[in-house]
Amino acid sequence: DTEVTQTPKHLVMGMTNKKSLKCEQHMGHRAMYWYKQKAKKPPELMFVYSYEKLSINESVPSRFSPECPNSSLLNLHLHALQPEDSALYLCASSQVEFTDTQYFGPGTRLTVL
Amino acid sequence: GENVEQHPSTLSVQEGDSAVIKCTYSDSASNYFPWYKQELGKGPQLIIDIRSNVGEKKDQRIAVTLNKTAKHFSLHITETQPEDSAVYFCAAPAGTALIFGKGTTLSVSS
Repeated sequence: DTEVTQTPKHLVMGMTNKKSLKCEQHMGHRAMYWYKQKAKKPPELMFVYSYEKLSINESVPSRFSPECPNSSLLNLHLHALQPEDSALYLCASSQVEFTDTQYFGPGTRLTVL
Repeated sequence: GENVEQHPSTLSVQEGDSAVIKCTYSDSASNYFPWYKQELGKGPQLIIDIRSNVGEKKDQRIAVTLNKTAKHFSLHITETQPEDSAVYFCAAPAGTALIFGKGTTLSVSS
């Protein structure tokens, strides 16, 4: 099974709301990623967790806050977002960081009003 | 840092034709090159990958070739079908990041 699941599928939020995106994998992978993808663009890396520790933060604004509660779960907490943060947020996982196959979830389509 | 360039940005073919998408990379230390297919409204799906110790890899109608000297790798799809229509991304690792090409929109008309 190479499935990464993400919830919710769609999310609409106002600029003062607090919401969370969730990601889950049961492949025993030890690296998990958050990517942001704007329309007609490639995915852009936001965060990497390796063995449940944050290993990379690609200069993402603090209104995005990642959390890895355990080796199977990855959350992205959202607060005080801007309309330009509207995008598809993708979660991925791999056995180890980067030079191993990354499996992507279906994404959460986020709209910030 | 790594730079990945992908061409063409759009590709239209007739069903049954072959399609070729090319990528070049800049970091000679890169050693893993995946290709992803992304359909509308879905996440990227790995379709094939190649590591630097091989020059070519095939999986049914899909093949990837790698030329480390020239620092480029290509995706070949033979006998294209309408369901091959999607956006295709190449990628290469660069230190602690996976860098994606800008994507190729493939349209297969029947």
